[in-house]
Amino acid sequence: AQSVAQPEDQVNVAEGNPLTVKCTYSVSGNPYLFWYVQYPNRGLQFLLKYITGDNLVKGSYGFEAEFNKSQTSFHLKKPSALVSDSALYFCAVSADRGSTLGRLYFGRGTQLTVWP
Amino acid sequence: DAGITQSPRHKVTETGTPVTLRCHQTENHRYMYWYRQDPGHGLRLIHYSYGVKDTDKGEVSDGYSVSRSKTEDFLLTLESATSSQTSVYFCAIRSLGDLGTDTQYFGPGTRLTVL
Repeated sequence: AQSVAQPEDQVNVAEGNPLTVKCTYSVSGNPYLFWYVQYPNRGLQFLLKYITGDNLVKGSYGFEAEFNKSQTSFHLKKPSALVSDSALYFCAVSADRGSTLGRLYFGRGTQLTVWP
Repeated sequence: DAGITQSPRHKVTETGTPVTLRCHQTENHRYMYWYRQDPGHGLRLIHYSYGVKDTDKGEVSDGYSVSRSKTEDFLLTLESATSSQTSVYFCAIRSLGDLGTDTQYFGPGTRLTVL
């Protein structure tokens, strides 16, 4: 079965510092991995994804994520946090085969707060 | 945002009443999804559709039904609403293409309160 774990409900960082939001996954087959961001009272916005290829994926708003197959992780990172990055972040996984092809499984979300 | 709209955006209803939520897309995507978002649970799949009149259950489908009579519209119905169905409901489409473009995009959401 496919599943995603986001071990931290909240992450707090100071503006200008690097940030990391953690995600680990379990999937049958090769994983497709995604990060989405949700601002208050808004829908989910796609940030970036890993399908295949380079393990370091760059996305919108200066975010990047590193796929680590041995650790089954896909942590979201940004070198220098902005107050405007404060939002709820979701990691999601899909598999490249099987009956659940195309279905996304989400983590519970991590609330990122960047203080000035 | 992939041309997805949801209606209504907010609804308050009473226990036992039927409720229908509508998702409309303008870009002819084959796959459409209904999720619910609840604190501490992330997003969970209710039902999805892989074409007109082709639908299947997700992980939290009890108490919900769906219909897709046209490519552009995917309806979610709560036959008899319960307080446990108070949630924020999101519709999504799956954008398919060459390798690297398989991505789901989400609508703005519908906040449903069942009293």
